[in-house]
Amino acid sequence: KAGVTQTPRYLIKTRGQQVTLSCSPISGHRSVSWYQQTPGQGLQFLFEYFSETQRNKGNFPGRFSGRQFSNSRSEMNVSTLELGDSALYLCASSHLTRTSRLGTDTQYFGPGTRLTVL
Amino acid sequence: AQSVTQPDIHITVSEGASLELRCNYSYGATPYLFWYVQSPGQGLQLLLKYFSGDTLVQGIKGFEAEFKRSQSSFNLRKPSVHWSDAAEYFCAVGGGFGAGTTVTVRA
Repeated sequence: KAGVTQTPRYLIKTRGQQVTLSCSPISGHRSVSWYQQTPGQGLQFLFEYFSETQRNKGNFPGRFSGRQFSNSRSEMNVSTLELGDSALYLCASSHLTRTSRLGTDTQYFGPGTRLTVL
Repeated sequence: AQSVTQPDIHITVSEGASLELRCNYSYGATPYLFWYVQSPGQGLQLLLKYFSGDTLVQGIKGFEAEFKRSQSSFNLRKPSVHWSDAAEYFCAVGGGFGAGTTVTVRA
């Protein structure tokens, strides 16, 4: 099976702009999670989607949003970019069921999108 | 509330020496425990996981981890480190990740 893919791999934006990142999960996986990784804060959970519904949400401002499509592909959007949004954004998919919680099965990570905000 | 602590931010080890990375957790229910590795510029890859059963778990790349309920620990070990083991290692419990331990391997 193909792994988790993320596009684009690199992005450079300026403050105030918005950005959309894309993630294609492993075939058959219905759970998709997003993480922000920075040297200072480590891995921080953004949100999890399952079958087009946001099931869990981390502690990020409303500028960070996401969605999931019927084919399980997911996008996340960051509006009004700030310098502090510069990070590696990781997507992970998991073979969870509707009743199983995030973190109760292996997460398969994509290579990430490196976002730089100038 | 659950939490994961990796006490060591950075470890330097000589090639061929043994390695142990510590992980402590706080979790109310039966923990689902994972170790992931991240090479530079890459996403995270599962090394091993523990859900139940034998408390000594074998993983890929020669790694193993031991679950100790009484100590709330899930430490990762490798008997003999290779230069390619230089990476960042994350312990995960439930849906939460530790801060990571960076491993440097010196020749």
